[in-house]
Amino acid sequence: DAKTTQPTSMDCAEGRAANLPCNHSTISGNEYVYWYRQIHSQGPQYIIHGLKNNETNEMASLIITEDRKSSTLILPHATLRDTAVYYCIVRVWARQNFVFGPGTRLSVLP
Amino acid sequence: DGGITQSPKYLFRKEGQNVTLSCEQNLNHDAMYWYRQDPGQGLRLIYYSQIVNDFQKGDIAEGYSVSREKKESFPLTVTSAQKNPTAFYLCASSPAQGQQSYEQYFGPGTRLTVT
Repeated sequence: DAKTTQPTSMDCAEGRAANLPCNHSTISGNEYVYWYRQIHSQGPQYIIHGLKNNETNEMASLIITEDRKSSTLILPHATLRDTAVYYCIVRVWARQNFVFGPGTRLSVLP
Repeated sequence: DGGITQSPKYLFRKEGQNVTLSCEQNLNHDAMYWYRQDPGQGLRLIYYSQIVNDFQKGDIAEGYSVSREKKESFPLTVTSAQKNPTAFYLCASSPAQGQQSYEQYFGPGTRLTVT
């Protein structure tokens, strides 16, 4: 699977948009970009995934660059409950597991 | 409610004892997984199973064993051969392989402490 690079930590003011970047410059054509988050001492929670097009659901938006070498997860109105570690994963669709790196620790500040 | 349950949430054992962690899902998913997470790190795959009565080793299977006798259940045994068993253990499930893209759903985890 393609290696991903994320910032170690980020802060965001409550109510503002949180933009979490991810670099995946070695991504292949059949590899999807997934985002999960993990609140302390809980299991990871699926957020969103995409292949080429931008995606949006009730939790977040995923913006993938045209060359697919990077992506951004957007939480449009961050709340204190969004404080978590966010993982960007690039995964071949047939692979059996997700490889979680250290992720980005997002702190939403009041 | 559909989901994945893991029990217990906290588990304490003495060194040298085997311990079995429970994982049950009612999502009708074919595939199930066990991961291990150490403090400040990502998840590492221990074992996975795509179908009943079949399972494969992941990246760190040594010292662990699993069984898959029922679709809903995938228990993990941490044996005394596992050198550093203290960790946070996460179970996950997903729909059958063959779909073009799918997400994994995770349970709440079991924190195992061995002293």
